[in-house]
Parts: sequence; C-alpha cells; structure tokens
Amino acid sequence: SYVLTQPPSVSVAPGKTAKITCGGNNIGDKSVHWYQQRSGQAPLLVIYSDNNRPSGIPERFSGSNSGNTATLTISGVEAGDEADYYCQVWDSDTDHREVFGGGTKLAVL
Amino acid sequence: QVQLQESGPGLVKPSQTLSLTCNVSGGSIGSERHYWSWVRQPPGKGLEWIGYIAYSGITYYHVSLKSRVIISLDRSKNQFSLKLRSVTAADTAVYFCARISSDADTDVFDSWGQGTLVSVSS
Repeated sequence: SYVLTQPPSVSVAPGKTAKITCGGNNIGDKSVHWYQQRSGQAPLLVIYSDNNRPSGIPERFSGSNSGNTATLTISGVEAGDEADYYCQVWDSDTDHREVFGGGTKLAVL
Repeated sequence: QVQLQESGPGLVKPSQTLSLTCNVSGGSIGSERHYWSWVRQPPGKGLEWIGYIAYSGITYYHVSLKSRVIISLDRSKNQFSLKLRSVTAADTAVYFCARISSDADTDVFDSWGQGTLVSVSS
C-alpha cells in the first residue's frame, strides 16, 4: 500500500513562512491535495492538484510537488492558520484507494 | 454550493451495526464527476478513508474495512448511507461524509459534512 509521511508538528512565528512536507515514493508522479482541519471542525481543501487554490483560499497558501516530496507553504502565517494539515493522494495502483498522510500540527508561536 | 450533513445514532453497542446517513443539498448526487465518500477520524488521530460510491452504484472500500462495510445511495432522497457491522471500540470516531471530485488522474475531497461522533460502548 502507498504511504504518505508527514512530520507530526511544525512551529512558526506569526508573519513567517511555514513549510509542511509530505513524503511518498515518487509522489511527484501523483496529484497531491492538502486539507486544513481546525480544532473541532471538518477538513477544508486548501490546495488541490499540487499547487491550485480553491476559491476563497488566500494566496498565502501554495504547494509544490517533485520527486519524493510534496510541500505545502504558508506565507505570512497568521494565528488563524493554526490547525492540522493533511496531504492526500489517489493511489491508482491499488484498488482505487484514497490515501491520507498522518497529519501535521501547525503551531503558531 | 453543495452541503453535506451526517445523521445517525451517536452510540452503538459492540458487535452491532453502525448506520449513518448523509443528506446532500445544493447539488445532485447524480453527477458522473463526483463520488460520495465516508471518512473517519478516531479521537486524537488522523483521517482514514472508509470508502465511496459512484452514481452508477459502483463502490470502493478501504481494504481493512471491506468485509464489514456497505455504502449505498438513495437517489430519490439525494442521500447516501454507511453501514459498518460488527463494531468494536476501535470503530469509535468522528465520521465525515464528503464529496469527491474525480478526473482522469486524481480524486479530491472538495466538500465535507461537519462530522458526527459515534461511540462504540455497552
């Protein structure tokens, strides 16, 4: 089965840039999606297909994907960005499975 | 804009069947581009995909749950449902229904319900 690996936590000061990674075997060959989950809320799609923002998501959110690592970048971090972030791919090689990373807690110091 | 809302019992006894329904409003479940999915999140843990159903009725389930889960559609009510049988405490989780938008090379969860906590306990 395909595995996505995320760091458990990332800390960043307000106004700085946060980078959250998602590792997977040749993940650069797949489309990666990112979700933000604030405490007690449902996940919210913030980046789809590596580097596209849905309507309403600030330009501060961006993504990249190459080789074995996809990265979610949040520029000018605000207190409201504190949340868990999950990456996700469609694993077409194994019975149409949807795979989530383990999640990264972003702490705004 | 499509909205999803879960409903069902918040407490299920061990060995019984967990049953949840997701009501879809603001859009039709009859779209060929969309799949209708369930995702769960045990307390303090990450997201786990359970399965999804297409409008055609084709289903795909997580391999670890395949023997216990059924997802079905009710086209007349614009709803879809989850049944998970023989539950244990390990099935205690917040259960989310979600819409998947699918194209040739990927699936993305673009709309989510608010989630409902289901506890398994006697």
